[in-house]
Amino acid sequence: QVQLQESGPGLVKPSGTLSLTCAVSGGSISSSNWWSWVRQPPGKGLEWIGEIYHSGSTNYNPSLKSRVTISVDKSKNQFSLKLSSVTAADTAVYYCASRSLGAYGSGSYFDYWGQGTLVTVSS
Amino acid sequence: QSALTQPRSVSGSPGQSVTISCTGTSSDVGGYNYVSWYQQHPGKAPKLMIYDVSKRPSGVPDRFSGSKSGNTASLTISGLQAEDEADYYCCSYAGSHVVFGGGTKLTVL
Repeated sequence: QVQLQESGPGLVKPSGTLSLTCAVSGGSISSSNWWSWVRQPPGKGLEWIGEIYHSGSTNYNPSLKSRVTISVDKSKNQFSLKLSSVTAADTAVYYCASRSLGAYGSGSYFDYWGQGTLVTVSS
Repeated sequence: QSALTQPRSVSGSPGQSVTISCTGTSSDVGGYNYVSWYQQHPGKAPKLMIYDVSKRPSGVPDRFSGSKSGNTASLTISGLQAEDEADYYCCSYAGSHVVFGGGTKLTVL
């Protein structure tokens, strides 16, 4: 059973950089999953931020692409998110999740999620 | 990318059936059989309920079913139970990215 755990500062100043890490346990980050970040502003819906494969390949939400960097550390079995030039609109619960491609590499769904961590952007 | 379109809310009485729609485009819902549905209770992480349009993960009751026609996917919950009251989100693969719906609040009357 794969488990994901987010960690990082809960408060970030406007114009600063939000940095979070997701530790993967119970499975290898080198498996055939994409490792993703999803956020949810208070009282609002889910927004996909982006993802990384263990090879280092990335996909980003076009609306956030200029500010997002996702990286992977295979030695620590974890991946990370950096979001730059943050504003109050970036205040949200940030989830890390694994996107499975299915048993035969033909599928797409988020099968495991972290518990989420609230990041508030405020001075 | 635009969010997939879901009704903001639906409701039903215990034992009844409800259907939640999720409308996208030919670039996402209509272009791939990779629609998934998530249930989210307040303060909790989303939980996978349906994947690849109509498949159910182990442990999800067969009261939950999914389908797709053209650019619109649907989640049907039959035999409504009180614990089904939650927010529901659809999600679609869209080539090099993923897009979620805006979410639907299900109220069990």
